[in-house]
Amino acid sequence: DIVMTQSPDSLAVSLGERATINCKSSQSVLYSSNNKNYLAWFQQKPGQPPKLLFYWASTRESGVPDRFSGSGSGTDFTLTISSLQAEDVAVYFCQQYYSTPTFGQGTKLEIK
Amino acid sequence: EVQLVESGGGLVQPGGSLRLSCAASGFTFSNYEMSWVRQAPGKGLEWVSYISSTGSTRYYADSVKGRFTISRDNAKNSLYLQMNSLRPEDTALYYCAKDGSGSGYLFHRWGQGTLVSVSS
Repeated sequence: DIVMTQSPDSLAVSLGERATINCKSSQSVLYSSNNKNYLAWFQQKPGQPPKLLFYWASTRESGVPDRFSGSGSGTDFTLTISSLQAEDVAVYFCQQYYSTPTFGQGTKLEIK
Repeated sequence: EVQLVESGGGLVQPGGSLRLSCAASGFTFSNYEMSWVRQAPGKGLEWVSYISSTGSTRYYADSVKGRFTISRDNAKNSLYLQMNSLRPEDTALYYCAKDGSGSGYLFHRWGQGTLVSVSS
């Protein structure tokens, strides 16, 4: 199985500041035949199911604010929130769907 | 609007069985691949099982293979997970999830989950 490792495990950022979460896969999730990275990002707030934010590493799901961005390719990926808002407090997960799906351990984002 | 509503969770003794259900609405259920994903209390996410749109193809995580069976009834817009020989480590919130990419494993929409507790 592909192992997904996120960093950091937790992160405290001031309102209006940038938050950056990293995700590394143990092998490439870039499918050469279509040049797509099979990598998704989810946001999970307490008591709620995960919500899809990005797929194909950088395609924003409908309704996701544009302060969120996804980037990276191959084995290294980043979720960035350009200006943290109070409603962004959550746990964020990356997930690969290149093969049998696996998730990162999650990054807990809090307000400093 | 896509809706997925899980049911069937509860408290069961080790070695017992449960059958989870997921009622789908707001989309053409028979066109979509579906999965079950679980989350142990305070823990991360673990994919459990996948079923193709027709039900002809099924995959399982090693941790549940031989004990769990996924199925679907497209006429009833429903997904199921038969869970046998339950273990304490199966305790989790079980979500049904709809694929959104055609790859099978992009979890585009999730239900609210149903809680399974395995304890004596």
